[in-house]
Amino acid sequence: DGGITQSPKYLFRKEGQNVTLSCEQNLNHDAMYWYRQDPGQGLRLIYYSQIVNDFQKGDIAEGYSVSREKKESFPLTVTSAQKNPTAFYLCASSKLAGGLAKNIQYFGAGTRLSVL
Amino acid sequence: RKEVEQDPGPFNVPEGATVAFNCTYSNSASQSFFWYRQDCRKEPKLLMSVYSSGNEDGRFTAQLNRASQYISLLIRDSKLSDSATYLCVVSWAGKSTFGDGTTLTVKP
Repeated sequence: DGGITQSPKYLFRKEGQNVTLSCEQNLNHDAMYWYRQDPGQGLRLIYYSQIVNDFQKGDIAEGYSVSREKKESFPLTVTSAQKNPTAFYLCASSKLAGGLAKNIQYFGAGTRLSVL
Repeated sequence: RKEVEQDPGPFNVPEGATVAFNCTYSNSASQSFFWYRQDCRKEPKLLMSVYSSGNEDGRFTAQLNRASQYISLLIRDSKLSDSATYLCVVSWAGKSTFGDGTTLTVKP
């Protein structure tokens, strides 16, 4: 089945530790996105990538890093510089061309990150 | 001012009611418009795209007014299963901005 896979579903971070969240898609989408959602809040864009080996900061990039070495993969690292990392992290992908399907974002099931 | 603003809600309605959600956006160059549904502790899922001429999918009707930079979603004959948070989404140059969502609770 085509879709977006995020792992792990739950993740715990110790103080001072970097952790990496995985996001893989087999939809052949060009663009991929990372969002953070805090309880009762909307989605805030962390980073996005429209092409391999290129990515752009979103609204809340500080304390996070990404890479896009393959079209299918867009991992997010939450660094120790992110002092309040507890949140629901969502990865999405979309086509950038193609009529009515353009810009529709499809989401993975998310990763819940907590601090120990 | 936020780029995308939605009715704050929450909306609590009885089964069978008609409910309307509104959304305004600030970027006049926006190209694509969507409504997503998000259930508690789940990922958002596309409910419907919004086209300039307006579009309907069963009990759901979406409207777009580019002149007023306004999007709406109408749900007729509400079901218990419609209880969720509804997110307005506006896209431009491959990047999407999500509204904070409006929570709907449909009660028996």
